[in-house]
Amino acid sequence: DTGVSQNPRHKITKRGQNVTFRCDPISEHNRLYWYRQTLGQGPEFLTYFQNEAQLEKSRLLSDRFSAERPKGSFSTLEIQRTEQGDSAMYLCASSFPRSQETQYFGPGTRLLVL
Amino acid sequence: GDSVTQMEGPVTLSEEAFLTINCTYTATGYPSLFWYVQYPGEGLQLLLKATKADDKGSNKGFEATYRKETTSFHLEKGSVQVSDSAVYFCALSDPTGGGNKLTFGTGTQLKVEL
Repeated sequence: DTGVSQNPRHKITKRGQNVTFRCDPISEHNRLYWYRQTLGQGPEFLTYFQNEAQLEKSRLLSDRFSAERPKGSFSTLEIQRTEQGDSAMYLCASSFPRSQETQYFGPGTRLLVL
Repeated sequence: GDSVTQMEGPVTLSEEAFLTINCTYTATGYPSLFWYVQYPGEGLQLLLKATKADDKGSNKGFEATYRKETTSFHLEKGSVQVSDSAVYFCALSDPTGGGNKLTFGTGTQLKVEL
């Protein structure tokens, strides 16, 4: 396994712009999770997919946020009309069917909204 | 809802000192418990886990025991090294509802000096 990968690793954007992040999970991992981590805090759950189905969304995921996993493999997280408060590290994790409680994290995408 | 409380950092120790990082949790179901570590500039790495009461997770000289009676999962290491300097996160995964999403503590920064 090559591990969970995320792209881009860093993104700087201006307030009001749209951004999209990509996550490639470990192959054969059917669950994929998105978390957000702000400075000095632990990661907070945003949403998760089982295969291509989005099964749960946190209240943190406002209408400006949308996530997809169209073929049950990679996932994208889009933020529309970015705000300065969206600045954070966005983390992706995946888990294997026979060990669903153990999640493996990618390196994250650090977003800075100016 | 679920929550995790960790001792605040930063914790500064001399090399070869004994380490304890306290973690307590609140959960409605029967969670699995985890310690993740985040080295400077890197993503979250799973350090150890325990999936039921009285289980002991261990890895790289670190240990933690799942104590249901005290709702605790304290991290310990007998002799720390400079290379252990990192931020340590305690987390729980509650299978209630089927999602296994992780709830994290705020993290404890450990600095080990020569």
